[in-house]
Amino acid sequence: GENVEQHPSTLSVQEGDSAVIKCTYSDSASNYFPWYKQELGKGPQLIIDIRSNVGEKKDQRIAVTLNKTAKHFSLHITETQPEDSAVYFCAASIPNFNKFYFGSGTKLNVKP
Amino acid sequence: NAGVTQTPKFQVLKTGQSMTLQCAQDMNHEYMSWYRQDPGMGLRLIHYSVGAGITDQGEVPNGYNVSRSTTEDFPLRLLSAAPSQTSVYFCASLPPGADTQYFGPGTRLTVL
Repeated sequence: GENVEQHPSTLSVQEGDSAVIKCTYSDSASNYFPWYKQELGKGPQLIIDIRSNVGEKKDQRIAVTLNKTAKHFSLHITETQPEDSAVYFCAASIPNFNKFYFGSGTKLNVKP
Repeated sequence: NAGVTQTPKFQVLKTGQSMTLQCAQDMNHEYMSWYRQDPGMGLRLIHYSVGAGITDQGEVPNGYNVSRSTTEDFPLRLLSAAPSQTSVYFCASLPPGADTQYFGPGTRLTVL
């Protein structure tokens, strides 16, 4: 099956700096890559996603890039704020298999 | 819509006890799934269902049973709890034709 690896496991940045979280996947058939934010005591919530026919997608301070050849995708958060502090998960999905494979998570701490 | 709801929020069991984790959604989503979340391991798929009467195994199905008698409900059963099943359990649902899952708030289970 698919294997998704995520780095780093923890990331500490100063408010206003940028944060980058990276994921790699193993199955070239994967074509959908969502990113989730999980706040303490809550379930994961989708923040942005990208499909394999797109190289980059932006939504205000958040962007995701995808390199299909290298099988990696990254989450970029600019102008970080304390409320960005949370655990972030990447995931990969293979079409028609109804299965999502998650990375191990990155705990982001934004220091005021 | 209440979204995806899970009960109970917390549960402590003794080894060998059985229990059912409840999951319900009121969005008429055909696809529902169960994940467990362990430190440093992200979310791992236990079982999923693509509609009433249809269930299938995910990555880590051993020790868990599911059934799907209605579109709304997807309970997860632990027949004989083991300490290795101590985890946080999330239920999720997926709208028809969409890629994005909606997660419930989770159930924190401790098996002594």
